[in-house]
Amino acid sequence: AQSVAQPEDQVNVAEGNPLTVKCTYSVSGNPYLFWYVQYPNRGLQFLLKYITGDNLVKGSYGFEAEFNKSQTSFHLKKPSALVSDSALYFCAVRAPDRGSTLGRLYFGRGTQLTVWP
Amino acid sequence: DGGITQSPKYLFRKEGQNVTLSCEQNLNHDAMYWYRQDPGQGLRLIYYSQIVNDFQKGDIAEGYSVSREKKESFPLTVTSAQKNPTAFYLCASSVSLTLSSNQPQHFGDGTRLSIL
Repeated sequence: AQSVAQPEDQVNVAEGNPLTVKCTYSVSGNPYLFWYVQYPNRGLQFLLKYITGDNLVKGSYGFEAEFNKSQTSFHLKKPSALVSDSALYFCAVRAPDRGSTLGRLYFGRGTQLTVWP
Repeated sequence: DGGITQSPKYLFRKEGQNVTLSCEQNLNHDAMYWYRQDPGQGLRLIYYSQIVNDFQKGDIAEGYSVSREKKESFPLTVTSAQKNPTAFYLCASSVSLTLSSNQPQHFGDGTRLSIL
């Protein structure tokens, strides 16, 4: 079965410091991984994805994510946090294309990031 | 600009009433999805559709119904059988469901449904 775990409900970091939002996954077959961000009362916005290739993926707004196959992790990172980065972050894994799981995304529970001035 | 439009932004339901949430996209996407978001639970899939006139149940389809008569539209009806409908509902679309297209899902800005 496909699943995503975000072990931290909340992450707090000071502005200018590096941030990491953690994600681990379980999937049969090759993983296709995504990060999304959600601001209050808004939909999810796509940040970045890992399909294949380099383990360090760069995305929008200065975010990047590191794929680690041996640890089944896909942690979101940013070298220098901004107050405006405060939001809810979701990790998602795409299911293999077979039967009823065709094309589905499975989401983690989300991690609330707060960046304080 | 291309995107997904959900309406209304806020909706109130009375006991025993069915309500319909609208979702329209002008991205020319084949696949569309409905998710329910509750605090601390992430997103749960209600229904999804691969193509016009076809849709599949997700993980929590009970008490909900959908239709896909047009490519651009995927309305969700919350029926009176759904006993706990208070939540934030998100509609999404993607180019297709097949692996050959690894484009991300695009989301609307949601409808917040509450019970009167």
